[in-house]
Amino acid sequence: EADIYQTPRYLVIGTGKKITLECSQTMGHDKMYWYQQDPGMELHLIHYSYGVNSTEKGDLSSESTVSRIRTEHFPLTLESARPSHTSQYLCASSEAGTGRNEKLFFGSGTQLSVL
Amino acid sequence: GENVEQHPSTLSVQEGDSAVIKCTYSDSASNYFPWYKQELGKGPQLIIDIRSNVGEKKDQRIAVTLNKTAKHFSLHITETQPEDSAVYFCAAVPSGGGADGLTFGKGTHLIIQP
Repeated sequence: EADIYQTPRYLVIGTGKKITLECSQTMGHDKMYWYQQDPGMELHLIHYSYGVNSTEKGDLSSESTVSRIRTEHFPLTLESARPSHTSQYLCASSEAGTGRNEKLFFGSGTQLSVL
Repeated sequence: GENVEQHPSTLSVQEGDSAVIKCTYSDSASNYFPWYKQELGKGPQLIIDIRSNVGEKKDQRIAVTLNKTAKHFSLHITETQPEDSAVYFCAAVPSGGGADGLTFGKGTHLIIQP
């Protein structure tokens, strides 16, 4: 069973608000990821991290930012939320290593709605 | 970079029948192909994977086949049950890795009709 947690599960906020989506894992994984999932189900990588103090942008451009101050914690922040940010956000982690067969462990997601 | 195509986007089968989901990939250097299952309200979970040195792998009612020449791989579910209803994602990982690892297909919504 995966030990990766996301809070909140659901968030409804107004335009212009600053929000932070939390993601924590207790598996000691070095690599962590944020995916945005659209209503059509497709998964888009928006941020990833190799480890502490490492953050990289993914395939899909996003106005969000991330930080990695501790191994277990990878929060995502939106400085000024807009309706276009409405989506499901999924956090994941995996072991770093020389092999490319990296099993991803996903959290249950945060459904964000911006009014 | 890698491109993964997945079909169909929606698949409806009668309970007890078999279901097949197909994926193609573009990078001939890809060597790892996992499948993830996402149930309603949850994140995706790995259900089976296959490496490029193997043509088929089976785990109870699910199996995955790989054709490296044609660059396609498939998920087979036999004797489908209501709990198989979910969204399924295929993925590919190039041997060079790539900083961001997996390239996912767009997903297949599998519906098991009672």
